[in-house]
Amino acid sequence: QKEVEQDPGPLSVPEGAIVSLNCTYSNSAFQYFMWYRQYSRKGPELLMYTYSSGNKEDGRFTAQVDKSSKYISLFIRDSQPSDSATYLCATISTSGTYKYIFGTGTRLKVLA
Amino acid sequence: NAGVTQTPKFRVLKTGQSMTLLCAQDMNHEYMYWYRQDPGMGLRLIHYSVGEGTTAKGEVPDGYNVSRLKKQNFLLGLESAAPSQTSVYFCASSNSRRTDTQYFGPGTRLTVL
Repeated sequence: QKEVEQDPGPLSVPEGAIVSLNCTYSNSAFQYFMWYRQYSRKGPELLMYTYSSGNKEDGRFTAQVDKSSKYISLFIRDSQPSDSATYLCATISTSGTYKYIFGTGTRLKVLA
Repeated sequence: NAGVTQTPKFRVLKTGQSMTLLCAQDMNHEYMYWYRQDPGMGLRLIHYSVGEGTTAKGEVPDGYNVSRLKKQNFLLGLESAAPSQTSVYFCASSNSRRTDTQYFGPGTRLTVL
């Protein structure tokens, strides 16, 4: 079982839709969770960073962590064509190594 | 600030050739990382460094070597390239806490024929 699982998509939605992107993780000791956005042929850039459970909001983006079900979500409100990208969830290893654990990414396309 | 830069952007190699990928960061970060990204596999850590003069193996280190002679630079070497090393390579850097954000470069697309 992978430590972080993510549906690869692609996910296509109309402009203005609410988008829900999800990941599951296997280790209940994980506490830090990130969402990175990666445009085509570019490097990943940090979108949201959360610690433990709960919600964090930044503009049209909301990150949610449900530790009881080991589920993390990213919601995008009023989605725009410029949101079309691959979204990677990530967490941080609890072992001694300096290791991020990434999901495989979900490709999102927002149609104008 | 340029952030994290990578050289070259694209490269095509023949099997058995060698090359070095250069990563540079201007954020005075202590930690630097090399990842490869393959379809369906996500980002996998090749090697990392927690400071000038130090290196350590990541998840998929075989076939690669690294050096960190200067704090701002992290070099990834392929001594004898193989088709299995065809990938997109990303460098990242972060401050010194394990939980600090990693900042990524734009990537190098490498094809090994």
